[in-house]
Amino acid sequence: DVKVTQSSRYLVKRTGEKVFLECVQDMDHENMFWYRQDPGLGLRLIYFSYDVKMKEKGDIPEGYSVSREKKERFSLILESASTNQTSMYLCASSGGTGGQPQHFGDGTRLSIL
Amino acid sequence: AQSVTQPDIHITVSEGASLELRCNYSYGATPYLFWYVQSPGQGLQLLLKYFSGDTLVQGIKGFEAEFKRSQSSFNLRKPSVHWSDAAEYFCAVGAHSGGGADGLTFGKGTHLIIQP
Repeated sequence: DVKVTQSSRYLVKRTGEKVFLECVQDMDHENMFWYRQDPGLGLRLIYFSYDVKMKEKGDIPEGYSVSREKKERFSLILESASTNQTSMYLCASSGGTGGQPQHFGDGTRLSIL
Repeated sequence: AQSVTQPDIHITVSEGASLELRCNYSYGATPYLFWYVQSPGQGLQLLLKYFSGDTLVQGIKGFEAEFKRSQSSFNLRKPSVHWSDAAEYFCAVGAHSGGGADGLTFGKGTHLIIQP
């Protein structure tokens, strides 16, 4: 089975801090994704990557950046955390080109105080 | 751009009764379609997927879904629900992109409540 591991289940940070969310997958997948999930809004795509050092903006990239230095690891960075970034963050990975199902981690619930 | 609508925010079903969750999508060509389930505090688990071919697809946990191009729908069904099916269900659409994979577009979810 594909395993997508997010480094923290719960995280509490302060406004203005730089926050790193880490995600690792063990299936040699080319594609990795970061979503945020908010009640009543579903999942929204922040950034994705289809290769090492490649990144593409999703629907809501403002206030975020990403890093993919190794194929198995995809990091989401909040440059200067704000309270409106309090949310559940979900990482996913998939293999091949478009249409392959994405496999999700268990999520990181991030609170910004 | 593609979009997904799940018209029902909440659905309550009695244990043992049948279930149908609705999903409508908007996309210019034949889409990839998925149903995911999320239990409280967990990530998303893939229930089933439609790529092409047979419009009735079978998934895990006794779920099935039917792709109807004429109605732009991909409704999820189960003949008899169990209390453990209580969860949030998400329909998602993916694009047939030429290069690397694009992210999925998700509906806002349907919260399924099972009453004894």
